[in-house]
Amino acid sequence: EPEVTQTPSHQVTQMGQEVILRCVPISNHLYFYWYRQILGQKVEFLVSFYNNEISEKSEIFDDQFSVERPDGSNFTLKIRSTKLEDSAMYFCASKREENQPQHFGDGTRLSIL
Amino acid sequence: AQRVTQPEKLLSVFKGAPVELKCNYSYSGSPELFWYVQYSRQRLQLLLRHISRESIKGFTADLNKGETSFHLKKPFAQEEDSAMYYCALSGSTLGRLYFGRGTQLTVWP
Repeated sequence: EPEVTQTPSHQVTQMGQEVILRCVPISNHLYFYWYRQILGQKVEFLVSFYNNEISEKSEIFDDQFSVERPDGSNFTLKIRSTKLEDSAMYFCASKREENQPQHFGDGTRLSIL
Repeated sequence: AQRVTQPEKLLSVFKGAPVELKCNYSYSGSPELFWYVQYSRQRLQLLLRHISRESIKGFTADLNKGETSFHLKKPFAQEEDSAMYYCALSGSTLGRLYFGRGTQLTVWP
């Protein structure tokens, strides 16, 4: 069964550095999402992406965040200047059509030092 | 505002006992409700969605619009059901999910 894949599984970065989290959604999926989960807290929506543009973003997704689909397979989340509070598990998800459920990747654990 | 509440952070039952994981929601329109499960060190996996009205791994969940609830039930819990369970809500076709904080279910032998 096809899966959403995320790399790396764990990223350790110094505060203030840029970080790029990578996701390969399932190949025929059209809707893409990023979520994050700070340790001990809820899974929170960051951004959704459809038809090569952001379709919705949360209040968390400020100017420090950006997403790209640079080619036909990758979907990336960039944090421009990381802060300690960006430490979290970041999940990528995708779905094929509007009325289909989202499929999640294993997540990337981001640790900011 | 959209909100999903899972009142129990931890739930423990013995094998063979019934289990119910509670989920309440608030949403002004007609949401779609989901249960996702996360087994130890694995990804979030869809367990159930209310529109499909099916039973997966013996679990069922009924949407009660009057009580704004979507509780997950299983009549006889198994040890392999031990996992983190998340209730989630989607209110739009774009599909943004609102998650509850999760309930860690432990099934003792």
